[in-house]
Amino acid sequence: NAGVTQTPKFQVLKTGQSMTLQCAQDMNHNSMYWYRQDPGMGLRLIYYSASEGTTDKGEVPNGYNVSRLNKREFSLRLESAAPSQTSVYFCASGGGLRETGELFFGEGSRLTVL
Amino acid sequence: GENVEQHPSTLSVQEGDSAVIKCTYSDSASNYFPWYKQELGKRPQLIIDIRSNVGEKKDQRIAVTLNKTAKHFSLHITETQPEDSAVYFCAADSWGKLQFGAGTQVVVTP
Repeated sequence: NAGVTQTPKFQVLKTGQSMTLQCAQDMNHNSMYWYRQDPGMGLRLIYYSASEGTTDKGEVPNGYNVSRLNKREFSLRLESAAPSQTSVYFCASGGGLRETGELFFGEGSRLTVL
Repeated sequence: GENVEQHPSTLSVQEGDSAVIKCTYSDSASNYFPWYKQELGKRPQLIIDIRSNVGEKKDQRIAVTLNKTAKHFSLHITETQPEDSAVYFCAADSWGKLQFGAGTQVVVTP
């Protein structure tokens, strides 16, 4: 039981390059989330998926796209990376649907955009 | 949408003393308030949570209190130990999504 697994752990991009962060969970959770963490700003929600087949914007969605591939997997794509997207990205999953509950986070992906 | 404010941003305490972190929220419909602890370089992990039908909850040295009328909730850590040093985040749910506070860096000095 691996919990929430996200890849890659580290990535360096040049401005304008694209990349996809992958996330998978094996806890049969309905809801999955992508957060970014910047110093002094806590965890800010980028996108979330309340259930398979649905995605919605969070607080800071600009410059990102997501895909809920199936119940287990939720990917985050940067189409044209910008220095402002330098951050630590966390994927999370939780029971969701009727009642908000504990979120389980992945180990994080540290992205640097030059 | 929900707005969560957290204070203080840093907190230094002597080992054995108590630590208190306070959060306020804006959405009166919020009914779930978790606290996460994040050690340096690690992922956030839930340490305690409370729902709006409860005013206080304890788990060993940590406790959370909730005042729905005033829209604020607090984390209390008693008898602090060096392993309590970490960043603590409060959060409030908003339509199935968690809105996090900016975090409190807690440093426990021996």
